[in-house]
Amino acid sequence: DVKVTQSSRYLVKRTGEKVFLECVQDMDHENMFWYRQDPGLGLRLIYFSYDVKMKEKGDIPEGYSVSREKKERFSLILESASTNQTSMYLCASSLVALQGYTFGSGTRLTVV
Amino acid sequence: SQQGEEDPQALSIQEGENATMNCSYKTSINNLQWYRQNSGRGLVHLILIRSNEREKHSGRLRVTLDTSKKSSSLLITASRAADTASYFCATDATGTASKLTFGTGTRLQVTL
Repeated sequence: DVKVTQSSRYLVKRTGEKVFLECVQDMDHENMFWYRQDPGLGLRLIYFSYDVKMKEKGDIPEGYSVSREKKERFSLILESASTNQTSMYLCASSLVALQGYTFGSGTRLTVV
Repeated sequence: SQQGEEDPQALSIQEGENATMNCSYKTSINNLQWYRQNSGRGLVHLILIRSNEREKHSGRLRVTLDTSKKSSSLLITASRAADTASYFCATDATGTASKLTFGTGTRLQVTL
């Protein structure tokens, strides 16, 4: 089975900190995605990547950046964490266009 | 921007009954997918239906797609307590380079 691993299940960070959320997949998938999930808003796409060193903005990229130096790893970076970035962050990967995504278990980030 | 909207927002049924959830979307799509999310966890891919398909089955799941009405339904037959979860539809809109847009989900509660 494809596995997508997010490095932390729960994180608590202070306002202004630089935060790194790590995601690793083990099945050589081309595509990787970062979403955030908030009550009543569903999942919203932050950034995605179709290949190493490539990145595309999603619907809500402000306040975030990403890094994909290796095919299996896609990192989400909060440059200066703010309380409105408190959320559940979900990483996903997929092989080709007509295939479902495989999601990680999520990281619940609280910014205080 | 939210592409898919699920209806109802919440559904409570008894074990053994059927559960039907609906999804409406706004633009042309390549495919539509359904996912399940157990509380506080990542999403699990259930089924994908392509834009040229009208109905698809997988075990106790039946998905229909009506592209003229821009709507889809997910039917879970003979529900079980283990089906308790949130269910999301996601659309791969044409011209969006294979990134999924998720709805806000239907919370299904199956009681014994």
